Amino acid sequence: EIVLTQSPGTLSLSPGERATLSCRASQSVSSSYLAWYQQKPGQAPRLLIYGASSRATGIPDRFSGSGSGTDFTLTISRLEPEDFAVYYCQQYGSSSLFTFGPGTKVDIK
Amino acid sequence: QLQLQESGPGLVKPSETLSLTCTVSGGSISSSSYYWGWIRQPPGKGLEWIGSIYYSGSTYYNPSLKSRVTISVDTSKNQFSLKLSSVTAADTAVYYCARHPLAWDAFDIWGQGTMVTVSS
Repeated sequence: EIVLTQSPGTLSLSPGERATLSCRASQSVSSSYLAWYQQKPGQAPRLLIYGASSRATGIPDRFSGSGSGTDFTLTISRLEPEDFAVYYCQQYGSSSLFTFGPGTKVDIK
Repeated sequence: QLQLQESGPGLVKPSETLSLTCTVSGGSISSSSYYWGWIRQPPGKGLEWIGSIYYSGSTYYNPSLKSRVTISVDTSKNQFSLKLSSVTAADTAVYYCARHPLAWDAFDIWGQGTMVTVSS
């Protein structure tokens, strides 16, 4: 089973700042199978990025994904007030298994 | 616009079977382009994939839950269902149903989630 580690656990930033979130896998992940989600309190997760770098429908271009192999990054270029939330990475790998990272909370500084 | 809605009991006794249904509206569950999955989230914790099903009935499960999980599909009702047997307090969670395209294996449309508590 591939284990995903996200860092930092919490990121305290101000609106307008740039956020860089990391997702590291215990084994190489196909870029086609790495996704990022945003979750706000009391809501279901929302797909932001799939295939490591493709934005899902309706996602603003301030969100971007990059990376390959075992290291992936979600970048929010300029934080808007509605971007303060928890972000999860997710991979689909061998043994037809989906796993999620533990999440990074982006909160207001 | 495709929507998913979970339904089922909010309280289940220990050792019993948790049963939930996801109703798909605004589109067909029989599309050849998608799998349909269940994901859960214990209070204050992260996300755990439970399993997924294709409209044909083909399934795959999280190995850690496989012995207790059954996912089925009813195309005539545009629904798919989850059964989790021998539940304990550790199964208390918000349960989500979601769609995932075959092309890119990420969950693109989610239900709102339903809280299930395991308690006597």
